[in-house]
Amino acid sequence: QVQLQESGPGLVKPSQTLSLTCTVSGGSINSGAFYWTWIRQSAGKGLEWIGRIYASGTTNYNPSLKSRVTISVDTTSNLFSLKLTSVTASDTAVYYCARAPWANGWYTSYYDLWGRGTLVTVSS
Amino acid sequence: DIVMTQSPLSLSVTPGQPASISCKSSQSLLHSDGKTYLYWYLQKPGQPPRLLVYELFNRFFGVPDRFSGSGSGTDFTLKISRVEAEDVGIYYCMQSMQVPRTFGQGTKVEIK
Repeated sequence: QVQLQESGPGLVKPSQTLSLTCTVSGGSINSGAFYWTWIRQSAGKGLEWIGRIYASGTTNYNPSLKSRVTISVDTTSNLFSLKLTSVTASDTAVYYCARAPWANGWYTSYYDLWGRGTLVTVSS
Repeated sequence: DIVMTQSPLSLSVTPGQPASISCKSSQSLLHSDGKTYLYWYLQKPGQPPRLLVYELFNRFFGVPDRFSGSGSGTDFTLKISRVEAEDVGIYYCMQSMQVPRTFGQGTKVEIK
């Protein structure tokens, strides 16, 4: 049974970089079969799609975050990562990783598996 | 960005009664491939959202048939034919026509 698990610091200082990983267990991230995605949820902005990575490292990012975000895959460790630079209090949120089957096409948001989420607070 | 607007924002329903949630998009979600890229998710407290309906009207595995999605273009509806206690939570619509994907504000459903 495939599972996703987010991990990373729960507290990040303003202007620093938020770094999270999503470990895939019970299956291989290298199958090329999924869009690996980050989504966050805050009280102020609700659910916000951050971006995704698929195929040979192709990424799509939310334009509002594009200058600050990087999503990458580590096939050796079977995980994918999120880096968000120059964080502010507005980046405080629960961060979820999720997957959608690549076979459903570029337009899919068929997120059939999610991590439990991890709360990241930006504060000094 | 495509703006998704849900109504109502909260709903209190007697068990066994129907419920309906509206979602409107600022642009058409009908693609030239014939699919409408509108999704419905349900989130319970302390849990991630889970998929209920994909591409307008297709129920995800294990979703009871009391849930149905409908609509066209920019106006969509999620209906619950007979609400049960386990249906409480926040329902979100989501569009997948453009990047960034965007969600509605959510509709909180509770039981009377």
